[in-house]
This record gives sequence, C-alpha cells and structure tokens, in this order.
Amino acid sequence: AQSVTQLDSQVPVFEEAPVELRCNYSSSVSVYLFWYVQYPNQGLQLLLKYLSGSTLVESINGFEAEFNKSQTSFHLRKPSVHISDTAEYFCAVSDPHTGGFKTIFGAGTRLFVKA
Amino acid sequence: NAGVTQTPKFQVLKTGQSMTLQCAQDMNHNSMYWYRQDPGMGLRLIYYSASEGTTDKGEVPNGYNVSRLNKREFSLRLESAAPSQTSVYFCASSPLGYNEQFFGPGTRLTVL
Repeated sequence: AQSVTQLDSQVPVFEEAPVELRCNYSSSVSVYLFWYVQYPNQGLQLLLKYLSGSTLVESINGFEAEFNKSQTSFHLRKPSVHISDTAEYFCAVSDPHTGGFKTIFGAGTRLFVKA
Repeated sequence: NAGVTQTPKFQVLKTGQSMTLQCAQDMNHNSMYWYRQDPGMGLRLIYYSASEGTTDKGEVPNGYNVSRLNKREFSLRLESAAPSQTSVYFCASSPLGYNEQFFGPGTRLTVL
C-alpha cells in the first residue's frame, strides 16, 4: 500500500529565510502528487500538484516542488517565507491505476514563521 | 459559489448515539469524499463516491456509513458513536479522481 512520510513535524523559520518541507512516498510506477495547505480552523487548500510533464511545479504564491522519481520525493520549497505562510502543510499521493480516488496524506508539517 | 459546505460545525455526542454529517457542493463535481483528521496522523479517507450512485470504502470505513443522495450531496452516518470517533471530519469534492480536491470547513465531533 502507498504511504507518505513527511520528515519534519514542525519547522520554525525566520521571516524572509528559505524553507524546505520534505516529503517521501513509497515506490510506485507512477503517482499523482499534491501539496495542500491548512490555515487554522479551515479546510485544506491545494498549493500545487504534479500529474505528469515537467518535474518542477510552482504555485502562485512562490512555493515550488520537484518530483524526483529516483528518490521518490516531492519536497516543497520557498526561497523567502512570510509571516502569512504560517500554516500546516500536507503532502499527498494518489495512484492513477485506481483512478486517483484514494489519496493518501502525510501526517503534516507545521511551518511557523517568526518575525 | 459556496463551494463545499458542511453541517454541523460542532457536535458533542454520548457513546452509542447516532448522527449524520451533511455535505453539499455546488461546483458540479462528480466525486466526493469523507476524511477524518486526527493529530499527528494527517487525513485518512473514510469513504468516497467516484460518481453519483456509487460509494466505496477508504482506509478507515469501520463504524461509518455513507449515502450519495444526489450529485450535490454526500452524507456520513455514525450509527453508534464511540470515543475513538472523536475527530475533525472533512468533506471534499473533485471534478474527477485525479484532480485536486476542494475541502469544506470541517465538523469537529466529540464523543463522550
């Protein structure tokens, strides 16, 4: 069965510093990959996704993630974080062979941006 | 558009009571999902409905039932609530399975 590991449960970082949130998944021939963000007391919102094509995907607010098939990783990066990026971030994987319906989420990484 | 709406927002039950969580979406999506979120465990899929008229088990279906009432609505029922079902429940929808999912605001359920 597919699994997702987010290697850090909490990441504290100063404002304007770079950040990387790590995500590894168990091997599969092909996968769909997602990063979602959850602000306090809200539902999850999609940050970015990889379905196929270019291995580097970007979001509209400066985050990017790179699909690395050989290392089965999909790490999320931002070169300069803002206070408003404080949230919990979830990496997720789904299997196209099952129609992509059964999405597996990681345990989440809480990003805390300090002034 | 309201997106995905869930009712109620909060609920406290006693062990053995039953209740139904309601979910509706106005985006004309085909697929709908129910998840539970527990601290340190991320989201776990309870049930999903790939399209109107179909439902399938997810990762943690025991103790739950679902109904896809029509294309818009997907309800989750707890027949006999247990303390282990204390959690935050999220409903989501997507145009198709492999697309992004759109989440509702969640229902915080406590079972005493």
